Amino acid sequence: GIQVEQSPPDLILQEGANSTLRCNFSDSVNNLQWFHQNPWGQLINLFYIPSGTKQNGRLSATTVATERYSLLYISSSQTTDSGVYFCAVGTSGTYKYIFGTGTRLKVLA
Amino acid sequence: DAGITQSPRHKVTETGTPVTLRCHQTENHRYMYWYRQDPGHGLRLIHYSYGVKDTDKGEVSDGYSVSRSKTEDFLLTLESATSSQTSVYFCAIRTAGGGDTQYFGPGTRLTVL
Repeated sequence: GIQVEQSPPDLILQEGANSTLRCNFSDSVNNLQWFHQNPWGQLINLFYIPSGTKQNGRLSATTVATERYSLLYISSSQTTDSGVYFCAVGTSGTYKYIFGTGTRLKVLA
Repeated sequence: DAGITQSPRHKVTETGTPVTLRCHQTENHRYMYWYRQDPGHGLRLIHYSYGVKDTDKGEVSDGYSVSRSKTEDFLLTLESATSSQTSVYFCAIRTAGGGDTQYFGPGTRLTVL
């Protein structure tokens, strides 16, 4: 089955810094989503982005489907950005999703 | 939050006992999912449903069964709980139209002693 790898596994930033999180996948996908799990365990959908680029405030995401990767950019990070970021992919013909193991981000004040 | 609730939110049980977790949604979504989350593994799909009485297995379905007798409820049953099933269980729905996205419930923390 499809493999999903995220990097880096852990990231520590000072408040105000920028960061880039990466999601690599091993096969063609027709669905890719980014999620943020906050320190209280709540999972929040950030982007649905099977291809192209989207922006939402300080966050943006780019997926290059032909090269099988997606990037999540966080600019001017805040302590509330702390938590774990997951990407999840889905493939054609199925409504199942495979999650990466996540990037744990800690933003220091 | 797409109107998703899970019950119970916390449960402690003993090995060998049956356990049922409930996921309830209020927005009539067709697709519903059960995941488990464990350290080092991210979220792994247990089962999902694509309609009333229509379900399919995910990557870690052994030891679990599901039922969906009405659109709004998706039940996950551990017939005989084992310590390896200690985990946090998340329910999700999938929306279609305007982006194929998932929204998650708050989770159920299950401890099997």
